Amino acid sequence: QKEVEQDPGPLSVPEGAIVSLNCTYSNSAFQYFMWYRQYSRKGPELLMYTYSSGNKEDGRFTAQVDKSSKYISLFIRDSQPSDSATYLCAMRGTGGGNKLTFGTGTQLKVEL
Amino acid sequence: EAGVAQSPRYKIIEKRQSVAFWCNPISGHATLYWYQQILGQGPKLLIQFQNNGVVDDSQLPKDRFSAERLKGVDSTLKIQPAKLEDSAVYLCASSRGGVNGYTFGSGTRLTVV
Repeated sequence: QKEVEQDPGPLSVPEGAIVSLNCTYSNSAFQYFMWYRQYSRKGPELLMYTYSSGNKEDGRFTAQVDKSSKYISLFIRDSQPSDSATYLCAMRGTGGGNKLTFGTGTQLKVEL
Repeated sequence: EAGVAQSPRYKIIEKRQSVAFWCNPISGHATLYWYQQILGQGPKLLIQFQNNGVVDDSQLPKDRFSAERLKGVDSTLKIQPAKLEDSAVYLCASSRGGVNGYTFGSGTRLTVV
């Protein structure tokens, strides 16, 4: 079993839709949870990070962490064609030199 | 702030040949990472440097991969000899520290034929 599981998609939605992206994990030591966006032929860029359980909102993006279920989500409201990319969840514990464990990524396409 | 620079962007080599990748991190970032991203997978850490010392190289295939970070700035990652399964994007990232994640370069896409 992988430490982090993420549905690879692809996920196709119409412009303006609400998008829900999810990851599950098995390692209880994970405390920091991040979402990265990766455009084609580019490196991942950090969208949001959350410590422990709870919600965090930034513009059209909301990250949720439920540590009791070992489940994290990223919601994108009013999705735009420019949101078309691969979304990677990543997580780490409090030690271990800041090493991140990534999910496989979900490919999202927002269509006009 | 300039980003993380990597070169070359693309490289095609035959199996059993050697190849080297170069990374210049963001100025002032003490920590540097090399990740391997195979098509359809998330990045996997190969090696982490703190200044010019190795913090974690537990997933680096040391029989063929080597990396160094001279003077705590630039870094090179080498593969010798390359195998078909080494075909991937090699991402370099750097961070100042803390929990805000880190900044990735655009990567070097390696194809081994």
